[in-house]
Amino acid sequence: SQQGEEDPQALSIQEGENATMNCSYKTSINNLQWYRQNSGRGLVHLILIRSNEREKHSGRLRVTLDTSKKSSSLLITASRAADTASYFCATDVLTGGGNKLTFGTGTQLKVEL
Amino acid sequence: GAGVSQSPSNKVTEKGKDVELRCDPISGHTALYWYRQSLGQGLEFLIYFQGNSAPDKSGLPSDRFSAERTGGSVSTLTIQRTQQEDSAVYLCASSLSGPGYTFGSGTRLTVV
Repeated sequence: SQQGEEDPQALSIQEGENATMNCSYKTSINNLQWYRQNSGRGLVHLILIRSNEREKHSGRLRVTLDTSKKSSSLLITASRAADTASYFCATDVLTGGGNKLTFGTGTQLKVEL
Repeated sequence: GAGVSQSPSNKVTEKGKDVELRCDPISGHTALYWYRQSLGQGLEFLIYFQGNSAPDKSGLPSDRFSAERTGGSVSTLTIQRTQQEDSAVYLCASSLSGPGYTFGSGTRLTVV
């Protein structure tokens, strides 16, 4: 089963606008990560936020984490056509065998010129 | 190598045949994951190797699926008696025993 559920499933915006994607999860986590996927192939790690952090920035990306609500958001500011991709959140849970990474269902972002 | 390498990149096989998918992780990475992604879907966890620990096989969908990791490096995912529902992109990821994973480009498996 999916640990993370993302909202919206699809998002279409104009270039220059901000894009916000949300992720909800079910269990306690070690950290939460966001990945980007182009063309249904390999994923690229974007940013990681630890369970004791509330907000993190990386370039045009801003991630927030609310552990009380078990939710996270990814904000992409001043979007570009090249940001068009699928975005996934992934929760990292420490188990007896090590870290286990479970992915959400993803948000398909389309940035139009 | 510089990244996670998966082979083949594409595989078309007939229903009922066995297939082997290969993953070469980044040298020194102790953790290795296999995921499956069906068209337009999220990533489904299959199996996780961490160092010399027993692998977490809880995501394997049936006993037709198995995976090995030899010498703590290369991993092979084997699907026996393939079915059409096995068609998907199979992704491998590795990490150095911590957060932040590097993914390969995947193997697109098509069962006809």
